[in-house]
Amino acid sequence: NAGVMQNPRHLVRRRGQEARLRCSPMKGHSHVYWYRQLPEEGLKFMVYLQKENIIDESGMPKERFSAEFPKEGPSILRIQQVVRGDSAAYFCASSSPGQFPYGYTFGSGTRLTVV
Amino acid sequence: QKEVEQDPGPLSVPEGAIVSLNCTYSNSAFQYFMWYRQYSRKGPELLMYTYSSGNKEDGRFTAQVDKSSKYISLFIRDSQPSDSATYLCAMSFLTQGGSEKLVFGKGTKLTVNP
Repeated sequence: NAGVMQNPRHLVRRRGQEARLRCSPMKGHSHVYWYRQLPEEGLKFMVYLQKENIIDESGMPKERFSAEFPKEGPSILRIQQVVRGDSAAYFCASSSPGQFPYGYTFGSGTRLTVV
Repeated sequence: QKEVEQDPGPLSVPEGAIVSLNCTYSNSAFQYFMWYRQYSRKGPELLMYTYSSGNKEDGRFTAQVDKSSKYISLFIRDSQPSDSATYLCAMSFLTQGGSEKLVFGKGTKLTVNP
């Protein structure tokens, strides 16, 4: 069981570029959550998705950020026109119904640096 | 007032010491109370979780929840250098949409010195 896979591990973007972060959930998991960890801050919830559905995006910034979890393939967190303040570690977690909290598993994160 | 408060430390102790980590919270709707361990450049790893007030023990780790005081603790006995990590408290609540949303403390960085 490969666990939750996130790639890339590190991503450097210039201001104004787009960043795409990928998350493949654990085998058998149908729920994906994205969190952001800013420097010196705790993890903050961004969005919760199931296959082809955004269930809760209450933590997503209103502009430039979007997420999807297609029927096939990984979940994608997309940040358009990145700014320096987007520099952070982005973690995704996956779970299955009825397995909370013990089955709620985090990936190793993508560290985004905006220069 | 933040929903979850955690002293970020850092905390440095000698090997074999008893470590006490604490968090306070303000939201009575929280259901599960969890402790995660995060090594540098890694994702959080669930250490322990509890649902009700009281103590829960797992080896050298004890999690304690006091819902009346809105206070949770993690105790580490006979601490080892391998325990050096950042410890995050987290609490969950079920949203109307059915998502289990976690609210994290800032994390306490612990160093256990040989």
